[in-house]
Amino acid sequence: GESVGLHLPTLSVQEGDNSIINCAYSNSASDYFIWYKQESGKGPQFIIDIRSNMDKRQGQRVTVLLNKTVKHLSLQIAATQPGDSAVYFCVSNNDMRFGAGTRLTVKP
Amino acid sequence: DTAVSQTPKYLVTQMGNDKSIKCEQNLGHDTMYWYKQDSKKFLKIMFSYNNKELIINETVPNRFSPKSPDKAHLNLHINSLELGDSAVYFCASSQVGGEAFFGQGTRLTVV
Repeated sequence: GESVGLHLPTLSVQEGDNSIINCAYSNSASDYFIWYKQESGKGPQFIIDIRSNMDKRQGQRVTVLLNKTVKHLSLQIAATQPGDSAVYFCVSNNDMRFGAGTRLTVKP
Repeated sequence: DTAVSQTPKYLVTQMGNDKSIKCEQNLGHDTMYWYKQDSKKFLKIMFSYNNKELIINETVPNRFSPKSPDKAHLNLHINSLELGDSAVYFCASSQVGGEAFFGQGTRLTVV
């Protein structure tokens, strides 16, 4: 089975609010983790990654946090916009298994 | 230039038929994948090839056979199609251990 898994299948937020998508992993040997965004009718696309020797990585409006003690990742999206509505996946580069994503819905 | 392209985009076929989906990448990547996505968006890895060699072969029916003629191509052949094979199939490529780049998907409908 998958070595990483998302906590919630769906998440609904109000436009302008911050979103947090959580993910747990089981394989401590993972070198790094990648977050993907899949919009309707498209394939998943890379958003941001984080190496296992980092705790935090920031991009444009997105931040990923890695807690190796509890084997937990989170993707934070600031000021969520309608264009952020998509399915999000967290993946370990060790096995490239995507599994079930979290569907983020942004309400206007 | 499309990085990962798969054809066809849509495929409607009858049960029992044999069909193929083609995938090509122009990124110079060593690794290619096939994924199956069901209606609930669960994205399951099926196969992974590295330099034309099979690396990952998940538990899929042996009616599914990947073929990699060279490292830029990974085709998926499906024999004796069943209703349950209806899904969206994605091809992807990556450098070893790197982020994956996906094609636009092939929506297979078996009737």
